[in-house]
Amino acid sequence: DSGVTQTPKHLITATGQRVTLRCSPRSGDLSVYWYQQSLDQGLQFLIQYYNGEERAKGNILERFSAQQFPDLHSELNLSSLELGDSALYFCASSVAERSNTGELFFGEGSRLTVL
Amino acid sequence: EDQVTQSPEALRLQEGESSSLNCSYTVSGLRGLFWYRQDPGKGPEFLFTLYSAGEEKEKERLKATLTKKESFLHITAPKPEDSATYLCAVSPGNTGKLIFGQGTTLQVKP
Repeated sequence: DSGVTQTPKHLITATGQRVTLRCSPRSGDLSVYWYQQSLDQGLQFLIQYYNGEERAKGNILERFSAQQFPDLHSELNLSSLELGDSALYFCASSVAERSNTGELFFGEGSRLTVL
Repeated sequence: EDQVTQSPEALRLQEGESSSLNCSYTVSGLRGLFWYRQDPGKGPEFLFTLYSAGEEKEKERLKATLTKKESFLHITAPKPEDSATYLCAVSPGNTGKLIFGQGTTLQVKP
């Protein structure tokens, strides 16, 4: 158990809909990262927050947005969903703003299926 | 463009049959190279960090090495419980993000 909690574990929805994925980082971790994992693209970095502020941005679509709240939990909002958005979405956390050790603690992921 | 390429995509070994996984990378301002293990339906689990060419790290049957262009994950006398997908990642420049390779899926048969 990494200590990172993600909900929901599974989500099935239709094209055009909007969903919210939630992540609670490990106790004491200030950084939260969101990754998307699909069969053809592998693990793709989406966005990082540190102590409530956006710190790094990757290949995140404009239809997607995220935020980190004062209690450090984070939400990833996916809107106008398309079939290609079906993937595993992972949240990871670390103590530091820039983890020199590369040690991120990953949750078990939220599997999104868009029909 | 920062890039990580892993080979082979899949590897099947008999229990006790040693082998190596490769991770080649091109990245600007490498801050570190990292190995993760991912079991089916789970999130990646951190294994090693390597910072400079010539560095080696060991953990049980796994040993990771680093050169200026690639890293190897050597698996000595593997057991079925070593079956997993092994992911390599790099941290470029002054960012907190990790760029992952596609992974090598290892299957060890008893």
